[in-house]
Parts: sequence; structure tokens; C-alpha cells
Amino acid sequence: AQKVTQAQTEISVVEKEDVTLDCVYETRDTTYYLFWYKQPPSGELVFLIRRNSFDEQNEISGRYSWNFQKSTSSFNFTITASQVVDSAVYFCALSEAPPGAYNTDKLIFGTGTRLQVFP
Amino acid sequence: DTAVSQTPKYLVTQMGNDKSIKCEQNLGHDTMYWYKQDSKKFLKIMFSYNNKELIINETVPNRFSPKSPDKAHLNLHINSLELGDSAVYFCASSSWDRGATNYGYTFGSGTRLTVV
Repeated sequence: AQKVTQAQTEISVVEKEDVTLDCVYETRDTTYYLFWYKQPPSGELVFLIRRNSFDEQNEISGRYSWNFQKSTSSFNFTITASQVVDSAVYFCALSEAPPGAYNTDKLIFGTGTRLQVFP
Repeated sequence: DTAVSQTPKYLVTQMGNDKSIKCEQNLGHDTMYWYKQDSKKFLKIMFSYNNKELIINETVPNRFSPKSPDKAHLNLHINSLELGDSAVYFCASSSWDRGATNYGYTFGSGTRLTVV
């Protein structure tokens, strides 16, 4: 069965600290897709990254980086030099089919990690 | 140019009423979804439609009835509203075409439904 676990319910840091949000997933498929979304206090879901299971390269985008490790079924998210604007709930999600493909794709979300960055 | 738009943004209603939430996407995507986010922030899929055809129905009570008049619209009608229906409902769309606008999942801004 598919499952996404975000064990950290809430993390508090002071501005400029680095912070890592953990994500562990379970799937029986060999091909799958992993996502991170940010939900700021305003409530919308902001897409951050999509990663295919066959692409294990880590990715960096500005202060954000993602570490994908198939061996441990983890897809962790690191924010470097955190800022107050990073305060939000972050969701990791899994899909066993590409978005829109085969008509059966759906996102399985983790329970989210609330990140609070204090000035 | 909002990609996925939902209306209304807020909806407060009494128990037992019937209400609808509308969703429209201008991305040309074939697949649309409804997700529910409960009070603990947990997000779960409710329905998906592909080109007006129901694909996924995740054991949602039949008081919830999605309707897709065309592939750009997916509305959610809820009958006999209950207190437990209070949640944020997100509409989303997706495309398999890697050349499509916003390849992947695009979410609307959500509709906060409060049943009193």
C-alpha cells in the first residue's frame, strides 16, 4: 500500500538556520513520483518539486534542496538559511502514476510538517 | 490569469443545506480532482475525472456528487450538509503531456466550507 510519513509534526528555527524536513514513503511500484508542496498561512498549495523514481539526482533550487534516497525510501527537503517567509506547512506526496496518465493517478499526502521560522 | 479557480473561497452554511463549489481550469488539462483537507490539515483525494468521465471515487459519501460538464470544469455538489463536512476543499488539474502548461498537478486556492 502507498503511504507517506512525515514524522516531524512541527519544527521551530531561528532565521538563518538550516532546516531539514523528513519524508519517508512506501510503495510497491518501481515507478513512482514524489512531490513537495508548501502551504503558507494564506492556505494555497504551492508546488515546489516533482521527482521521478528513476531519477535519483539531488536537486537544488536557490535555498531549497532535495535529497532523494531510494535505498531508504526517503525524499528529504532542506532549506538553507531559513527566512520568516518560509514559515508554512510543508507536504510530501507520492503518486504511483504520472500526473494525468492512465487516468488513475492520485496524490497520497503525508500529514505535513509545520515550519515556524522566528526572526 | 488564474490557472485553476474555485468559487466561492469561503462558504458558511447550516446543517442540512445543499451547496455547490465550482472549479474551472484554463490549462487545457484532461484530468481534474477534488481533494479534502480536514481540520488537522490532512489532505485526501475524493474524486478524479478524466475528460468528463469519473475515474476515482474514494469511498466518499453519496451526499457528495461531482459533476463535470466539460473537461475544463469540475463542480462539487454536497447534499444535506453535516458538521463533519467542514473542511477546505481543493480542486486540482493535471496533464500527462510534458509539453502542457503546468505539467504536473496544479491546485486551486481552496474553498473553506464551514457547516454550523
